[in-house]
Amino acid sequence: KAGVTQTPRYLIKTRGQQVTLSCSPISGHRSVSWYQQTPGQGLQFLFEYFSETQRNKGNFPGRFSGRQFSNSRSEMNVSTLELGDSALYLCASSQRTVLNTEAFFGQGTRLTVV
Amino acid sequence: SQKIEQNSEALNIQEGKTATLTCNYTNYSPAYLQWYRQDPGRGPVFLLLIRENEKEKRKERLKVTFDTTLKQSLFHITASQPADSATYLCALDTGRNTPLVFGKGTRLSVIA
Repeated sequence: KAGVTQTPRYLIKTRGQQVTLSCSPISGHRSVSWYQQTPGQGLQFLFEYFSETQRNKGNFPGRFSGRQFSNSRSEMNVSTLELGDSALYLCASSQRTVLNTEAFFGQGTRLTVV
Repeated sequence: SQKIEQNSEALNIQEGKTATLTCNYTNYSPAYLQWYRQDPGRGPVFLLLIRENEKEKRKERLKVTFDTTLKQSLFHITASQPADSATYLCALDTGRNTPLVFGKGTRLSVIA
């Protein structure tokens, strides 16, 4: 079974630009969650999509948005980039059933804003 | 407010010893507690899950305990090896379709 795939792996953007990150979950997983990881803050939850609907949202500004397609693939968009958005962005897929709640993470996208 | 703490940012131990990592939480009622391993520059990898009605779970050299009275989970690696060096994260799951909440992790270094 293929794992979670995130593209691109690395990205360098300039302040004020916007960026789109992509995540392909494990086949059969309907839940896709996005996290931001920085050395000081650890893993911070951004949002979760389940069957194309945003089910949960973290405490991030509206510049951070996402969507999920009918094939469960998900994209995350950040507009008007700030230096503080530099981080590792991780996508996790899960079945999110009573018996299967563990998350499977991709390798992440390392975003650097200059 | 809800809080999850892994009370050691870093832990150094000798090869062959047992490493014990702690995860404490407040104002949560988790149905599950999960442990992940993360290597530098990579995504976390799921290791073990323990349910609120379970006291202990084992997998090879790994053991997790869950005490809902103390609001604490302990993660043990027995006979530790340098290859066990990584950051270990605990995560709470309320089981009610809310997001997993992660601790900041403990960076374990096993010294040969």
